[in-house]
Amino acid sequence: KAGVTQTPRYLIKTRGQQVTLSCSPISGHRSVSWYQQTPGQGLQFLFEYFSETQRNKGNFPGRFSGRQFSNSRSEMNVSTLELGDSALYLCASSSGLTNSPLHFGNGTRLTVT
Amino acid sequence: QQQVKQSPQSLIVQKGGISIINCAYENTAFDYFPWYQQFPGKGPALLIAIRPDVSEKKEGRFTISFNKSAKQFSLHIMDSQPGDSATYFCAASGLTGGGNKLTFGTGTQLKVEL
Repeated sequence: KAGVTQTPRYLIKTRGQQVTLSCSPISGHRSVSWYQQTPGQGLQFLFEYFSETQRNKGNFPGRFSGRQFSNSRSEMNVSTLELGDSALYLCASSSGLTNSPLHFGNGTRLTVT
Repeated sequence: QQQVKQSPQSLIVQKGGISIINCAYENTAFDYFPWYQQFPGKGPALLIAIRPDVSEKKEGRFTISFNKSAKQFSLHIMDSQPGDSATYFCAASGLTGGGNKLTFGTGTQLKVEL
């Protein structure tokens, strides 16, 4: 089985721009979660999508949004980028059952200049 | 705010030794406690997980010990190997509405020396 695929692997954007990150989950998985990883704040939950609906949400501003498509693929969008948004963005997929194991991708490294 | 406190921040262990990483939580609603291992350039990978109805769970060289009254849990890596050198994260979740929402500890960088 192929693992979780995130594209692109690296992104460099300028402050004020917007960015879209993509995640393809493991085949058969219906839940996709997004996490932000930074040296200062560690791993922080952004949101989870299940069957095209946002099921859980973390404490991030509205500039961070996401969506899930009918094939379970997910995208995350960050608008009006700030320097502090520089981070590794990780996508994880699971079956969607409560506390089912998360399978993480290798992330997209976003640098905001 | 829900928090999971993890210690130590870094750990150096000799090959064959025991690595011990500790975590403490505050939210008594947490009912699922996984540990993740992360290598440089890779996403975290699930190692082992425990629920509060058991005090210990062992999988190979990895053991979780859980103390519900103290709200603490720990990861023990027996016979530590250089290949175990990685960053380890504890996490906790307590959702009643379904799904996944992990609160992670700050991570422990483990180095196993020959």
